[in-house]
Amino acid sequence: DADVTQTPRNRITKTGKRIMLECSQTKGHDRMYWYRQDPGLGLRLIYYSFDVKDINKGEISDGYSVSRQAQAKFSLSLESAIPNQTALYFCATSDSTDRGKYEQYFGPGTRLTVT
Amino acid sequence: QQQVKQSPQSLIVQKGGISIINCAYENTAFDYFPWYQQFPGKGPALLIAIRPDVSEKKEGRFTISFNKSAKQFSLHIMDSQPGDSATYFCAALPTSYGKLTFGQGTILTVHP
Repeated sequence: DADVTQTPRNRITKTGKRIMLECSQTKGHDRMYWYRQDPGLGLRLIYYSFDVKDINKGEISDGYSVSRQAQAKFSLSLESAIPNQTALYFCATSDSTDRGKYEQYFGPGTRLTVT
Repeated sequence: QQQVKQSPQSLIVQKGGISIINCAYENTAFDYFPWYQQFPGKGPALLIAIRPDVSEKKEGRFTISFNKSAKQFSLHIMDSQPGDSATYFCAALPTSYGKLTFGQGTILTVHP
């Protein structure tokens, strides 16, 4: 089984709808992240959480919100989806105790289309 | 403000050739520089990383070259293979606060 899972894998929704993307991990990591990927722009950080009670905005948080329901679960919500939020969304995790490595482990991604 | 700039955006190489992808950064607080590899339909995965106390790190056919004074680093793929065809992202991290900043990505195509 995958260590970092994302649901749904694909989603088409209409402008103005509320949508939630979910991420779960079995790696036991304390840190979780949400990124969006757009061609030519790379991966941009939306929100990150260093533990259950610590949630921080990334570089492009406008229009998004998150919830860290447990150490293993981190959800991303689009309150009112708009077409320029069409993108590939990735969840990632890392372990703050893994000194010297700093590796982030990514899920398989969710392709979101807003029409 | 793009703190990590990556070039080229796309690269086509013949099998057996050398692939070179370049990155430049601005923030001198960055002290960890990884490269991630992403295959179609998959999430990125760590390929190789370097700290600024060394100028080069090699793992198999993959080498990172690092120039601290110029604030630049590059990925070299020797003897490029069709299986290396993927998107490559450079990134930078201040280890005092573990938030990665990614470059724009390079789509590498290796022709047989």
